[in-house]
Amino acid sequence: DAKTTQPPSMDCAEGRAANLPCNHSTISGNEYVYWYRQIHSQGPQYIIHGLKNNETNEMASLIITEDRKSSTLILPHATLRDTAVYYCIVRANTGNQFYFGTGTSLTVIP
Amino acid sequence: GAVVSQHPSRVICKSGTSVKIECRSLDFQATTMFWYRQFPKKSLMLMATSNEGSKATYEQGVEKDKFLINHASLTLSTLTVTSAHPEDSSFYICSARAPGLQVNEQFFGPGTRLTVL
Repeated sequence: DAKTTQPPSMDCAEGRAANLPCNHSTISGNEYVYWYRQIHSQGPQYIIHGLKNNETNEMASLIITEDRKSSTLILPHATLRDTAVYYCIVRANTGNQFYFGTGTSLTVIP
Repeated sequence: GAVVSQHPSRVICKSGTSVKIECRSLDFQATTMFWYRQFPKKSLMLMATSNEGSKATYEQGVEKDKFLINHASLTLSTLTVTSAHPEDSSFYICSARAPGLQVNEQFFGPGTRLTVL
């Protein structure tokens, strides 16, 4: 079962930062926070993951609150190609399956 | 990242027929593969976990006799939708995990759009 809550939709102006929140108040100590995105009619694409420290890669940054009950995915300079559904998932590092929640549909506006 | 392919990308079949969907890991050996189903404007729902050389583990509510999964090699898993009906029309997506890659990553295929008439 999905253990995360995300807003159903968000808009962002092209070139601006997109901040996508995720609540995971029941996260366990050994569970990581993963972010994937799905562009229409394609398979999900891995973005980033983290445990408790903030993480950054070439795609995005992940900010996890100190109590780990929520996190924010940041796309620093959104482009039209970032329009997609973004999924926040929690899973133990030793876990196997990913259970997807409803995600946030991000629309980047020109 | 590692590449996972699916074949076919789209399939249309008549009600009552069976359809086979292939999932291949192209540049790595996948000991575990996963099958998801996604209805329009809905999220992905995990159907089953497929381990090479053993029986698949199905999620609650998924009929194992209707959705046959075979993971006969380290690079291929197949999902067969038996006696398909219009309500089986959906987007089917596989993913794969492999030893040697980061344990926590899964790589997803591009999906197969099934339409049952």
